[in-house]
Amino acid sequence: DGGITQSPKYLFRKEGQNVTLSCEQNLNHDAMYWYRQDPGQGLRLIYYSQIVNDFQKGDIAEGYSVSREKKESFPLTVTSAQKNPTAFYLCASTAGAGGNEQYFGPGTRLTVT
Amino acid sequence: QKEVEQNSGPLSVPEGAIASLNCTYSDRGSQSFFWYRQYSGKSPELIMFIYSNGDKEDGRFTAQLNKASQYVSLLIRDSQPSDSATYLCAVNTAAGGGNKLTFGTGTQLKVEL
Repeated sequence: DGGITQSPKYLFRKEGQNVTLSCEQNLNHDAMYWYRQDPGQGLRLIYYSQIVNDFQKGDIAEGYSVSREKKESFPLTVTSAQKNPTAFYLCASTAGAGGNEQYFGPGTRLTVT
Repeated sequence: QKEVEQNSGPLSVPEGAIASLNCTYSDRGSQSFFWYRQYSGKSPELIMFIYSNGDKEDGRFTAQLNKASQYVSLLIRDSQPSDSATYLCAVNTAAGGGNKLTFGTGTQLKVEL
C-alpha cells in the first residue's frame, strides 16, 4: 500500500533531550513537509523540502532541524532549544511540480515534561 | 488580519441537513484551495480541492470558490453523524511560493441525530 508513515505514534521525552521523529513515504512524491498542531490552532509549517538534499525553513523553524538524504525520508529533530515542544507533529507530502495536494501521515504526538 | 479565516464553531446541523462551512483568505494571488477533514486525535484527510471559480462536486461534497470575494466554502449534503469532525481550509498563497499551504484554524461540525 502507498502512503506516509510516521513513527512512533506517541513519544515522551524529558526536557533538555533532543528527539527525532520519523517520516517515510512510498508515494514517489518530491516534496515533503513538517507541521505542528497545537490545541485550537491551525497547522503551522516547520520545514519543507522540495527535492533531495534541499530544504527550507517554514514559519516556525527555530528549535528544529531536518535532513533530506533520500526522497522517501524526511526526519525531524526537535532540539532542546525548542521552548514548547509538546505538540502533535504532522508530516505531509505532495507530488511536487503541478501537484499541490498535500497528503498527511498519521502524526506523532510528542510530550515533553 | 489572519491569512486564512474560519469560524471555529461548533456548527450544529441535524442529520440529513446541508452543512455549510466557510473560509475567507487575504492573499488575492492565491491559486489553490483545499478542504481537509480531521477527526479528533487523527491527522487531516484531504476531501476536496478547487482551483477555478465556481462549484466542484464530489459525492455529497461541493466546494465553491469565489476569487473576487476571496472566499471558499464547503457544502456537505445529507449530513451524517460520521461527518462530525473539524474541517480545515487551506490555501496555496502566491506569497508562499512552491507548494506551501496556509491553514485556517478549522470549523468544528457536529451532526446531531
